[in-house]
Amino acid sequence: EADIYQTPRYLVIGTGKKITLECSQTMGHDKMYWYQQDPGMELHLIHYSYGVNSTEKGDLSSESTVSRIRTEHFPLTLESARPSHTSQYLCASGLAGGLPETQYFGPGTRLLVL
Amino acid sequence: DAKTTQPTSMDCAEGRAANLPCNHSTISGNEYVYWYRQIHSQGPQYIIHGLKNNETNEMASLIITEDRKSSTLILPHATLRDTAVYYCIVKAAGNKLTFGGGTRVLVKP
Repeated sequence: EADIYQTPRYLVIGTGKKITLECSQTMGHDKMYWYQQDPGMELHLIHYSYGVNSTEKGDLSSESTVSRIRTEHFPLTLESARPSHTSQYLCASGLAGGLPETQYFGPGTRLLVL
Repeated sequence: DAKTTQPTSMDCAEGRAANLPCNHSTISGNEYVYWYRQIHSQGPQYIIHGLKNNETNEMASLIITEDRKSSTLILPHATLRDTAVYYCIVKAAGNKLTFGGGTRVLVKP
C-alpha cells in the first residue's frame, strides 16, 4: 500500500488568496510529481522533482510553484488563486534510477476558486 | 515515448474477463508498457507493466504481442469496483509518464 498523503482533500477559496497544497510520502522516494486534472479530462504533468533542491516544470504550463526542501515533502503553492486554477491536483512519487518506475499517487486535492 | 491508441470506452459483464486492448505500433526496444487505472475521483493506481514477456500479478495479466506493437490487459473476473478509466502508457525507464485519454470501462451487473 502506497503511503502518500495530500492535504487538504478539498479546498474552496476566494480569488487572490495564497494557497499551499501539501504532499508527503513516507516511502523515501526521490522522484515526486504534481499533476493537474480537470473533471473528465486527461492528467497533465505540471511539476516534478528528482530529489532535494531539484524542481522542474512539466508538460503543462502552470502558474503554481513547488519546492523540495525535504525528500518526503513536495508542496505546491499558488501565490494568487484565480477561478482558472479550479481543478484537481494529484501528487505522485516514484523511485529514482533506470529501472521501470512505478508511480504512486495520492488521493488528490480538489480546488475550487470562487 | 511511443504513442498509444485505446478504445474510448467499453462495457463488460460482472464476473467475466475484461480484455482491454492497446496499440503502440511505434514502440522502441527500450520502452515498457504500463497500465494504470483511475477510479472516479481518486488518484491513478498502478496495475502492471511489461517489456516483452507476458506478465501476471494479483490484479491483472498483461499480454504483449511478439512484435510488441500491441498489448492486452486482462482483468480475469471483473467486479463492479473495476469500473474505471484504464490508461495504457508506453515509456522508457527514466522518462516521465504521459497520460492520454484511456479507456472508460463500465462493469455492469
